[in-house]
Amino acid sequence: DQQVKQNSPSLSVQEGRISILNCDYTNSMFDYFLWYKKYPAEGPTFLISISSIKDKNEDGRFTVFLNKSAKHLSLHIVPSQPGDSAVYFCAASLIDSNYQLIWGAGTKLIIKP
Amino acid sequence: ETGVTQSPTHLIKTRGQQVTLRCSSQSGHNTVSWYQQALGQGPQFIFQYYREEENGRGNFPPRFSGLQFPNYSSELNVNALELDDSALYLCASSKGATTNEKLFFGSGTQLSVL
Repeated sequence: DQQVKQNSPSLSVQEGRISILNCDYTNSMFDYFLWYKKYPAEGPTFLISISSIKDKNEDGRFTVFLNKSAKHLSLHIVPSQPGDSAVYFCAASLIDSNYQLIWGAGTKLIIKP
Repeated sequence: ETGVTQSPTHLIKTRGQQVTLRCSSQSGHNTVSWYQQALGQGPQFIFQYYREEENGRGNFPPRFSGLQFPNYSSELNVNALELDDSALYLCASSKGATTNEKLFFGSGTQLSVL
């Protein structure tokens, strides 16, 4: 049972435009959500997070939106740059399990010049 | 400040064998988490060690075991290897054991079981 789903395996965006990556979850007990970025042959690196008490968090070009009623979050990258080409993972944690992250399968973002 | 390093980077084993993967945590971090990432999937939590004690475990059988040492480096041991154990094994260190602590990942060990 996949509790965190990233339904788009890949996404192609023109440089300078907005990239929107989506993530859906099924467990209403999740209270903390994170996005990680992964380049080939490297481990994932933390990008941005959001607590369930918020609906938006910004960090420079990156903004995460959380819609709890729809059990949906999205990552917006504006403007998209060639260095943003990577695999993006959405992850979530449970209220009563403060050590384990549940990860989506990832979305490969390709920024076209 | 050194980052998280994992060894070896690649490993080939045959079914039934045993394997040990190693991870050195980032300076100042006392928590190590291990994840398995199969091809085309997201990382799956194996277990976490906090100050040398197992602090939590995912849905993996007992043949997956671990250790954390006084310097907070860690080992992942897998006994009786199965073909489905072929995956990228990722180690991550953090300053604490809760999920709102950022995880710092190594580059992983690619294990192939033939």
